[in-house]
Amino acid sequence: KAGVTQTPRYLIKTRGQQVTLSCSPISGHRSVSWYQQTPGQGLQFLFEYFSETQRNKGNFPGRFSGRQFSNSRSEMNVSTLELGDSALYLCASSLGATGFGYTFGSGTRLTVV
Amino acid sequence: AQRVTQPEKLLSVFKGAPVELKCNYSYSGSPELFWYVQYSRQRLQLLLRHISRESIKGFTADLNKGETSFHLKKPFAQEEDSAMYYCAQGDGATNKLIFGTGTLLAVQP
Repeated sequence: KAGVTQTPRYLIKTRGQQVTLSCSPISGHRSVSWYQQTPGQGLQFLFEYFSETQRNKGNFPGRFSGRQFSNSRSEMNVSTLELGDSALYLCASSLGATGFGYTFGSGTRLTVV
Repeated sequence: AQRVTQPEKLLSVFKGAPVELKCNYSYSGSPELFWYVQYSRQRLQLLLRHISRESIKGFTADLNKGETSFHLKKPFAQEEDSAMYYCAQGDGATNKLIFGTGTLLAVQP
């Protein structure tokens, strides 16, 4: 069965632009979480969605937003990009409403220039 | 705030030597703890979780509540074990994983 799919794999954007990243979870998985991975800060939680509702949000500015669709696919958006937003953005999906049985995608590498 | 600490950025061992990757957590209750591994150019993968008490690829990890530790161990390292290892704690209130900064394990031939 297909794993967690993230598109695009690589992205280069200019400061001030906005970007949308996509995540398709494993079929049947209803929980989707997003993490930012940087060399300096490591892996940090962005937000988590379940059944189209954002249940939890990490400590990131409002420029970071997301949503989940009825088919459980999720998108995250970053507006007014800053150089510091350059990172690997990871999506993870889980079957249930609780628990941490997450499967991670390969990530989207965002570079802001 | 809950925190996961991995004190070593790099651990270099020779093939066949024992490995211990250290992890300490800060949660005072009954934590859910995990080890994730990221091989070069591959996605982050769950290696093991403490509630399952299983051994994956020869690795084991024991929860020590007194020392708030969850160290990852393997008696005989293999070259294919070279990877980045992350310890993580599950926060049940927010459904998020709190990751340590990771330890790069380099197994020399």
